Amino acid sequence: GQQVMQIPQYQHVQEGEDFTTYCNSSTTLSNIQWYKQRPGGHPVFLIQLVKSGEVKKQKRLTFQFGEAKKNSSLHITATQTTDVGTYFCAGQTSGTYKYIFGTGTRLKVLA
Amino acid sequence: DAGVIQSPRHEVTEMGQEVTLRCKPISGHNSLFWYRQTMMRGLELLIYFNNNVPIDDSGMPEDRFSAKMPNASFSTLKIQPSEPRDSAVYFCASSPPFGKSRNTIYFGEGSWLTVV
Repeated sequence: GQQVMQIPQYQHVQEGEDFTTYCNSSTTLSNIQWYKQRPGGHPVFLIQLVKSGEVKKQKRLTFQFGEAKKNSSLHITATQTTDVGTYFCAGQTSGTYKYIFGTGTRLKVLA
Repeated sequence: DAGVIQSPRHEVTEMGQEVTLRCKPISGHNSLFWYRQTMMRGLELLIYFNNNVPIDDSGMPEDRFSAKMPNASFSTLKIQPSEPRDSAVYFCASSPPFGKSRNTIYFGEGSWLTVV
């Protein structure tokens, strides 16, 4: 079945450093979403990407959808302690309602 | 605007007991999902309802798990009998009709289940 993998599984960075997580799907996606889950919290929607090669920015966060629509990345510039949490991608394939969540990348920011 | 409401927030139960988790989706949303989250297996989709009808229950682990959605504003996930390996955070989530709000999935705060 469809699988969505994320790397790295964990990342510790010093505050101010950049951070990137990568999401790879075994199948071509119609769109991809990104979610953030704070420790002890629930996943919260960040953004959706639909078009091949699409790039979207939210302040210090940059999201990219690959040309082949099988991979995506989230880049955070100059991390802050408020960025701590687990970042999930969730991919949807054409003709289905289902979003398959990636394995997640847990980010820890050291002050 | 109230989000997805789940109860109980925390439950500790003994092996063999029945557990019922409850969910009230966001008003106007017609899709409801139950997810389970563990360290080992991540975030797994258990079952999906659309317009109160179960569409896909392929993620339900075994017959001990059952889910119902008797109306648009209420759903339950039942585990009977519960086992220690069922210990996890169970999230209920809802999303609006297709085409509105980009298919965003809104998660509840979760029910933290511990089976001892």
